[in-house]
Amino acid sequence: TQLLEQSPQFLSIQEGENLTVYCNSSSVFSSLQWYRQEPGEGPVLLVTVVTGGEVKKLKRLTFQFGDARKDSSLHITAAQPGDTGLYLCAGSTVGSGNTGKLIFGQGTTLQVKP
Amino acid sequence: NAGVTQTPKFQVLKTGQSMTLQCAQDMNHNSMYWYRQDPGMGLRLIYYSASEGTTDKGEVPNGYNVSRLNKREFSLRLESAAPSQTSVYFCASRGGRVGGTEAFFGQGTRLTVV
Repeated sequence: TQLLEQSPQFLSIQEGENLTVYCNSSSVFSSLQWYRQEPGEGPVLLVTVVTGGEVKKLKRLTFQFGDARKDSSLHITAAQPGDTGLYLCAGSTVGSGNTGKLIFGQGTTLQVKP
Repeated sequence: NAGVTQTPKFQVLKTGQSMTLQCAQDMNHNSMYWYRQDPGMGLRLIYYSASEGTTDKGEVPNGYNVSRLNKREFSLRLESAAPSQTSVYFCASRGGRVGGTEAFFGQGTRLTVV
């Protein structure tokens, strides 16, 4: 059983649609991150959220950290084919600082069709 | 700027053979990580090292050993490879003046055990 549960695991949508990916846990995290991974490459950081209730925006991507710091969401507005990829949430457990254990969710594979 | 370098990129082993995956980072990071990635499972933490001289088990440590040789290098050893260890392995590092909480990943090692 993974500490971080992501949903959905797979999403196929048309260009221009909106979507939300969820990352849930029963544990509290000191920070939560979202990464994006292209085929054949390692994941690359999109954003880090550290404060309960925090909302960050990155162009058409909106990230939210739950008030209790147990969950997070990624919302994409007007998805484009270039958004296609694997999206991963990752959490640092409380007390681990920025150098301790880093746990990932199962990932959400997003396919945006033109 | 090399970042995180993993070797080899591809490897085929016979059941029972041993091998060591090498990882080196040039960002003066404190923490280093080994993950495996299987379809639908995201990234699962095998072992991590929060600082030079320390190592800790992750979610799936069985069948693996690690060595934090110095601050730059963190190796992963399979003593007796099994088909269940067929996977893509990623090394990552973080923690320091370069990137803060962001984890930087290598290109991955695709391992097949036959």
